[in-house]
Amino acid sequence: AQTVTQSQPEMSVQEAETVTLSCTYDTSESNYYLFWYKQPPSRQMILVIRQEAYKQQNATENRFSVNFQKAAKSFSLKISDSQLGDTAMYFCAIYNAGNMLTFGGGTRLMVKP
Amino acid sequence: DTGVSQNPRHKITKRGQNVTFRCDPISEHNRLYWYRQTLGQGPEFLTYFQNEAQLEKSRLLSDRFSAERPKGSFSTLEIQRTEQGDSAMYLCASRPGGGKNTEAFFGQGTRLTVV
Repeated sequence: AQTVTQSQPEMSVQEAETVTLSCTYDTSESNYYLFWYKQPPSRQMILVIRQEAYKQQNATENRFSVNFQKAAKSFSLKISDSQLGDTAMYFCAIYNAGNMLTFGGGTRLMVKP
Repeated sequence: DTGVSQNPRHKITKRGQNVTFRCDPISEHNRLYWYRQTLGQGPEFLTYFQNEAQLEKSRLLSDRFSAERPKGSFSTLEIQRTEQGDSAMYLCASRPGGGKNTEAFFGQGTRLTVV
């Protein structure tokens, strides 16, 4: 079974500052895909960034980047220049061989003005 | 395309009643997922369809739960004899075929309250 753990239930950051959200996972597969999803207060989940496990280069999407440490099974999300609109729940997730997306428990991020 | 659509958005029902939710995925997506999410928690997988075939079911999906996807288009999730513990947000997601790197698109969910 695959597991995803997010150890920070809540975090806060000042607007324009940088914040890092942690995620660790466990899987027996050698090739897999990792995702960070954002769920704003309106509740619709949207993709923030994805990482393919066989790629060593960390993925980046504008202000969002990941630090993927395959040996440590760690996949953290860094948000630079935080904006008020970044306030949301953030979920780390992994795809398994059965095409099931497994989520972590989430981190609630509050961006303060 | 307007994305993944779920109806109703909210449902309040009395314990013991049956409820049915509908999900309309993005039209070209052959994969469809149902998840359950309780407040402050991550979504928990319930079931997965590829076209009309239900390929995976979670142990969370008791015999009171049934899901269908006739003709590989929209999907329904039915809960029979609802219990207070069924109160949650039920999320539907769809994604196209291909590799595991393809993005899953989520609907806004159906919030169920069992009183």
